Amino acid sequence: GAVVSQHPSWVICKSGTSVKIECRSLDFQATTMFWYRQFPKQSLMLMATSNEGSKATYEQGVEKDKFLINHASLTLSTLTVTSAHPEDSSFYICSALAGTDYGYTFGSGTRLTVV
Amino acid sequence: QQQVKQSPQSLIVQKGGISIINCAYENTAFDYFPWYQQFPGKGPALLIAIRPDVSEKKEGRFTISFNKSAKQFSLHIMDSQPGDSATYFCAASIAGNQFYFGTGTSLTVIP
Repeated sequence: GAVVSQHPSWVICKSGTSVKIECRSLDFQATTMFWYRQFPKQSLMLMATSNEGSKATYEQGVEKDKFLINHASLTLSTLTVTSAHPEDSSFYICSALAGTDYGYTFGSGTRLTVV
Repeated sequence: QQQVKQSPQSLIVQKGGISIINCAYENTAFDYFPWYQQFPGKGPALLIAIRPDVSEKKEGRFTISFNKSAKQFSLHIMDSQPGDSATYFCAASIAGNQFYFGTGTSLTVIP
């Protein structure tokens, strides 16, 4: 089946630093990847849609300068949380559409803790 | 605006019982309705999905019932097991573009 690999699974960083999260499609090409944020016991909130070779599309209320998305190849999208603050602490999940048979495949998520 | 409404928010079922989670939508353009299972600290995993041209789909102990006229669909977990304890999300999509998720149901199956 389609696999989306996300790294790191857990990261702790100091306030003011930047953190990069990688999302890779391992056995398929993903022209579009999605980035979500999830707070404890809540649903997934779409942050942005990442398109290969073009600028990401951000949802309303999401700061594009804070959450930098790069989709440089058909198998890799990255989310960089710049100048992280404690309120950015959350669970970040990427996903990609792996054809209609597999639906929407999610990465395993990244737990970000900003101290 | 919540595109997909999910209920209940939490559910407790005895081992061997049937777990039922319901979702409703408004946009008739939706053409793909998946259910995802999420364990704590993990990303959601596709469980089962249905398209609006069928009324029911069954995979093992998991069944989706789809009512196009009522714009509702539900997940039934037969013979629920403690290992099924997780959060379940329904979703809806148009042609695989942007998926809209329900608010999630926390299922606890007690031995």
